[in-house]
Amino acid sequence: SQELEQSPQSLIVQEGKNLTINCTSSKTLYGLYWYKQKYGEGLIFLMMLQKGGEEKSHEKITAKLDEKKQQSSLHITASQPSHAGIYLCGAVPRTGNQFYFGTGTSLTVIP
Amino acid sequence: DTEVTQTPKHLVMGMTNKKSLKCEQHMGHRAMYWYKQKAKKPPELMFVYSYEKLSINESVPSRFSPECPNSSLLNLHLHALQPEDSALYLCASSKSLRRTASYNEQFFGPGTRLTVL
Repeated sequence: SQELEQSPQSLIVQEGKNLTINCTSSKTLYGLYWYKQKYGEGLIFLMMLQKGGEEKSHEKITAKLDEKKQQSSLHITASQPSHAGIYLCGAVPRTGNQFYFGTGTSLTVIP
Repeated sequence: DTEVTQTPKHLVMGMTNKKSLKCEQHMGHRAMYWYKQKAKKPPELMFVYSYEKLSINESVPSRFSPECPNSSLLNLHLHALQPEDSALYLCASSKSLRRTASYNEQFFGPGTRLTVL
């Protein structure tokens, strides 16, 4: 079973709209990462969250990690076609060294 | 240099062929990873090397054979693959496997698109 569930699975938005992607873990996490992948290409690191309640922003993207360190959200403000791609959360659990990815969210931004 | 390079970009091979994928980084990272990604699925971890030693093998079939000749280079040797092995193979590196999130941040290469006929 997937240990990191993302929602929604896919998202189609009009350019300029705001959107939120969620990532939920069944376990308490040590660290939570957000990556973006263009179709068929490598992954681009976006942000890393480690502390409960932490929030980070870069350009128009904001990521938050809840106090329990089991849920994260990625919020994009005023989306642009360049934001299109697959967004993946990744995590290191509190116990064990395994790094694993979430189920992914496919984002399409319509001009 | 914050780049992970992978060669070749594309590879087509028959089921009886032997081929190798190559991954290189010059960031001084001591952990390197191989992932397999099927279409519309997240990457799945295959192998992890830490300080040139195999640290994690996620029950990968023996037709995939990893090798880490030095701290900058990671190879994946392929032999007698099956058509279902066709996928995007991604390499990544991180500072180490130390249990701090900043050390686990992984830098990914662009991938090798493998097709097995």
